[in-house]
Amino acid sequence: DQQVKQNSPSLSVQEGRISILNCDYTNSMFDYFLWYKKYPAEGPTFLISISSIKDKNEDGRFTVFLNKSAKHLSLHIVPSQPGDSAVYFCAASGRDYGQNFVFGPGTRLSVLP
Amino acid sequence: DAGVIQSPRHEVTEMGQEVTLRCKPISGHDYLFWYRQTMMRGLELLIYFNNNVPIDDSGMPEDRFSAKMPNASFSTLKIQPSEPRDSAVYFCASSRQDPNEKLFFGSGTQLSVL
Repeated sequence: DQQVKQNSPSLSVQEGRISILNCDYTNSMFDYFLWYKKYPAEGPTFLISISSIKDKNEDGRFTVFLNKSAKHLSLHIVPSQPGDSAVYFCAASGRDYGQNFVFGPGTRLSVLP
Repeated sequence: DAGVIQSPRHEVTEMGQEVTLRCKPISGHDYLFWYRQTMMRGLELLIYFNNNVPIDDSGMPEDRFSAKMPNASFSTLKIQPSEPRDSAVYFCASSRQDPNEKLFFGSGTQLSVL
């Protein structure tokens, strides 16, 4: 039973437009969420995070929104660039999980020039 | 800092053979994680250590898998005997002791069991 879901396996967006990647979770004990980006033949790298005490966190072109009541978060990339083409993983953790992060299956983003 | 170092980058072996994957975490990191990535299951946690002690190995698929961390700078993940369904990318990651500290991943080991 997946506790962190990314229902879109892939997404294509035109360069310069907004990319929106979605993530849903089922465990209400999760209180910290992260997004990782992964290029082929490399390990995932940290992109942005958000604590459950916030509903938005921004870092340059990347913004993460958290809707706790819906158990939903999203990553917005504006404007999208070809170099953003990668697999994006959503991850969650909580007090009951210690340092364990539960990852979603990932969404492959393709930014078309 | 060199980051998390994994070896080998690629491993091709025959069914029934023993496979050993190696990881050197970032110096000063207290946590070490082994993840496996497959198309079907995405990134799944196999086991993690805190200060060289295994904390949660509930993700280890079966007794064929074992992991050790003899010291703060080295860990191994062993599969014996290996099976074709073990073919995947295996990632090692490390993090500091602070809560909610992010993970730093190695480049992974691509394992193919024929």
